[in-house]
Amino acid sequence: RKEVEQDPGPFNVPEGATVAFNCTYSNSASQSFFWYRQDCRKEPKLLMSVYSSGNEDGRFTAQLNRASQYISLLIRDSKLSDSATYLCVVSSGYALNFGKGTSLLVTP
Amino acid sequence: DAMVIQNPRYQVTQFGKPVTLSCSQTLNHNVMYWYQQKSSQAPKLLFHYYDKDFNNEADTPDNFQSRRPNTSFCFLDIRSPGLGDAAMYLCATSRFSGGIYGYTFGSGTRLTVV
Repeated sequence: RKEVEQDPGPFNVPEGATVAFNCTYSNSASQSFFWYRQDCRKEPKLLMSVYSSGNEDGRFTAQLNRASQYISLLIRDSKLSDSATYLCVVSSGYALNFGKGTSLLVTP
Repeated sequence: DAMVIQNPRYQVTQFGKPVTLSCSQTLNHNVMYWYQQKSSQAPKLLFHYYDKDFNNEADTPDNFQSRRPNTSFCFLDIRSPGLGDAAMYLCATSRFSGGIYGYTFGSGTRLTVV
């Protein structure tokens, strides 16, 4: 079983839509959780950390459910510029473990 | 600006010809990582340094080596590149092990093997 699993998509949504991505992780001892964004042929960039109480950054809301080992990212009012791959990332010990990413395409 | 810099951005090498990729950082972070990312796949950790301590992942091929001569620089050496080693190689840094504050990535080196 992979450490971090995500639905690869692609998710095709119209501008202004709300879209949600989910992620599950296998290591119950995982300590830190993140969403990274990766544009085509570019490096991953930190979008936001994910806290147990849930957290919001503008149009982006992240949730963590430790009991179910589940992380989510909600994007409201999607913009064309949100088109990218969203990587779920979990820290278990000394390094970060990445999911394969969920591809989002926002269309006009 | 403080950052992680990888050179070159694109590298073409011949099958079997040794190649070195470089990474430098101005963040003074303790930990430096090398990841390999193939198309449509998750970044895969190859190894990392915590200061001078080298940590190799169990499934990293012997063909891949690394050097960290000082805090700022880290190198990835591929001794005999094969066609299967074509990938994006990402260098990342973090202040502490486990990346609890997240990583800072370099822009990557895209390696082509011909």
